[in-house]
Amino acid sequence: AQSVTQLGSHVSVSEGALVLLRCNYSSSVPPYLFWYVQYPNQGLQLLLKYTSAATLVKGINGFEAEFKKSETSFHLTKPSAHMSDAAEYFCAVSPQGAGGGNKLTFGTGTQLKVEL
Amino acid sequence: DAGVTQSPTHLIKTRGQQVTLRCSPKSGHDTVSWYQQALGQGPQFIFQYYEEEERQRGNFPDRFSGHQFPNYSSELNVNALLLGDSALYLCASTRDRISTDTQYFGPGTRLTVL
Repeated sequence: AQSVTQLGSHVSVSEGALVLLRCNYSSSVPPYLFWYVQYPNQGLQLLLKYTSAATLVKGINGFEAEFKKSETSFHLTKPSAHMSDAAEYFCAVSPQGAGGGNKLTFGTGTQLKVEL
Repeated sequence: DAGVTQSPTHLIKTRGQQVTLRCSPKSGHDTVSWYQQALGQGPQFIFQYYEEEERQRGNFPDRFSGHQFPNYSSELNVNALLLGDSALYLCASTRDRISTDTQYFGPGTRLTVL
């Protein structure tokens, strides 16, 4: 079975500061890893994904994440936070395999607050 | 190009009733998955449909059932509603033939069971 653990249900940063959201995964097979963002009363939007190509993945809105197998981690970072980044962020894992329809297993989410 | 659409946006039901939620996948997508997101939690996988058949299922009771139509749209049915079924129900679509494809999510249907 696969799982992800998001450390910190709430993270608060100042505008312009570094954003670091932590995700650790557990998987018996090489995983695919994802970060999604959810704004209030909306669905999920993909920020970035790791599918066993480059270990440093760049996504939308200036976010990036690095796959570290030795640490079983896939932390999300952004050099400079903006007020519009305030949202809930979810890390997710799926098994590699044929077909794009593998199910996603999500973490419990991290609520990011950006303060002036 | 329209993304994933879901209807209705909101729904209020009482315990014991039955509900049907609808999803239209993104153009070109043939696989639909349903997720339940309880308040303050991450989405939980319910099941996935491909070629009009249930292909994978999560840890949900038989009260949860679904259907996929020839045009790839899908329905989620929940019978004998419980208070604990109150949640945001998300539909996601993707293309089966592309192993690295992204699952695109709809805006969800907010179900409240009283």
